[in-house]
Amino acid sequence: EDQVTQSPEALRLQEGESSSLNCSYTVSGLRGLFWYRQDPGKGPEFLFTLYSAGEEKEKERLKATLTKKESFLHITAPKPEDSATYLCAVQDGGSNYKLTFGKGTLLTVNP
Amino acid sequence: DVKVTQSSRYLVKRTGEKVFLECVQDMDHENMFWYRQDPGLGLRLIYFSYDVKMKEKGDIPEGYSVSREKKERFSLILESASTNQTSMYLCASSMGEVVRGYTFGSGTRLTVV
Repeated sequence: EDQVTQSPEALRLQEGESSSLNCSYTVSGLRGLFWYRQDPGKGPEFLFTLYSAGEEKEKERLKATLTKKESFLHITAPKPEDSATYLCAVQDGGSNYKLTFGKGTLLTVNP
Repeated sequence: DVKVTQSSRYLVKRTGEKVFLECVQDMDHENMFWYRQDPGLGLRLIYFSYDVKMKEKGDIPEGYSVSREKKERFSLILESASTNQTSMYLCASSMGEVVRGYTFGSGTRLTVV
């Protein structure tokens, strides 16, 4: 059974204070790892897909990296508008459709 | 802009009622999904469909059924609503190959009283 564990559960940063969120996973053959952002009361919004160890993707202040056991979402010089819950999900090699989600990290960036 | 639209943002229903949650996507996606999201439990898959009239159980299908008569529409049915089905329900869709993950709707906050 696929497992996705995100840490920390919650993270509070000051504006400009860079940090990283962790997503560790156990799957039988990773087909893809996905990062989403979710604002309160809304559905998750797609950020990145990573496919293989060593891959990196960037978008504005966010950078996602992938190893064979975990992914990191690095947030550089965050702003208050980066406050959200960040979700990680994996697709295993045996599934064409299903993603397994972690419980998320609630990020709060204070001005 | 491509969209997944859920018919209601908020619903309040009584215990024992039959409840229909509707979801429509305009992206011609093959796959559609229903999740529920609860604090501390994250997103849990209820049912999904990879084609019209096809459906498969997810991790927590008990107490739910689904219908997909048209490609763009996927309905979640609570046969007899119970208080433990109070939750945020999220619909999502994806292409046949899940290369960009899912596109989610805005969610329906269901309260069963």
